[in-house]
Amino acid sequence: RKEVEQDPGPFNVPEGATVAFNCTYSNSASQSFFWYRQDCRKEPKLLMSVYSSGNEDGRFTAQLNRASQYISLLIRDSKLSDSATYLCAVKGATNAGKSTFGDGTTLTVKP
Amino acid sequence: NAGVTQTPKFQVLKTGQSMTLQCAQDMNHEYMSWYRQDPGMGLRLIHYSVGAGITDQGEVPNGYNVSRSTTEDFPLRLLSAAPSQTSVYFCASSSGSKSSYEQYFGPGTRLTVT
Repeated sequence: RKEVEQDPGPFNVPEGATVAFNCTYSNSASQSFFWYRQDCRKEPKLLMSVYSSGNEDGRFTAQLNRASQYISLLIRDSKLSDSATYLCAVKGATNAGKSTFGDGTTLTVKP
Repeated sequence: NAGVTQTPKFQVLKTGQSMTLQCAQDMNHEYMSWYRQDPGMGLRLIHYSVGAGITDQGEVPNGYNVSRSTTEDFPLRLLSAAPSQTSVYFCASSSGSKSSYEQYFGPGTRLTVT
C-alpha cells in the first residue's frame, strides 16, 4: 500500500460545480498536511496547508480527519482557471525533512 | 526574490554519461529535497537534506548522489545515466520551522536519456 493515496480521477466538471478530492495516508504519526496545485509542465505550488480544525481560503476548504487518516479538498464554484493537478503531501513527525506526495488528481473545468 | 533556481532547464544525455543538476535557494531554508516526476505520476523523493553537511536517501536514491556543502546549494549527480532516469526533476526547499513546512519548488529540469 502506498503511504499516500489520492482519488485517481480525472475529474471533469462544468463551471460552477463543487468538487471534492480525498487523500488517505497510512502513517498515523504524520503531523503536517498540504495541498499543492500543479499546472501542466510547471512546478507544484502550495495551495493550502491543512490544519486539524480545517481551514478555508475563498472557494477552497481543506479538512483533516485524523481518525480515518485522510485529508480532503473542496472547491466550490469551480472556475476554468481551477483546471490543474492537485497533489496532497504529508510530512512525518520524526523526520520533518521528508515529504511524501500522492500521485495527484487531475481536474478539468469545462465551460 | 529568485526563490529556488534550477539549471539546466532541459538536458539530453546518452546512456552512461554523467552530469550534475544544479539547485540553489536564496531563502535561507534548512531543508532541501530532490524529486523526480514521471508522466502522469506524483513526485518521488530521491534524496533530501535537513542542513548543510547532512543528507539522506529518499524513496528512489539508486543512481543518484547528493552533497550539501552550503545552505544555499544542493546539487544532484547522475553517476551513469540510464533511460529509466528520463524524467522531470524538481528541487524544493522549506524552512525548518514547524509552522512553515510547506515546500517551494524550482521550475524543474527536463532530462532525456537516450
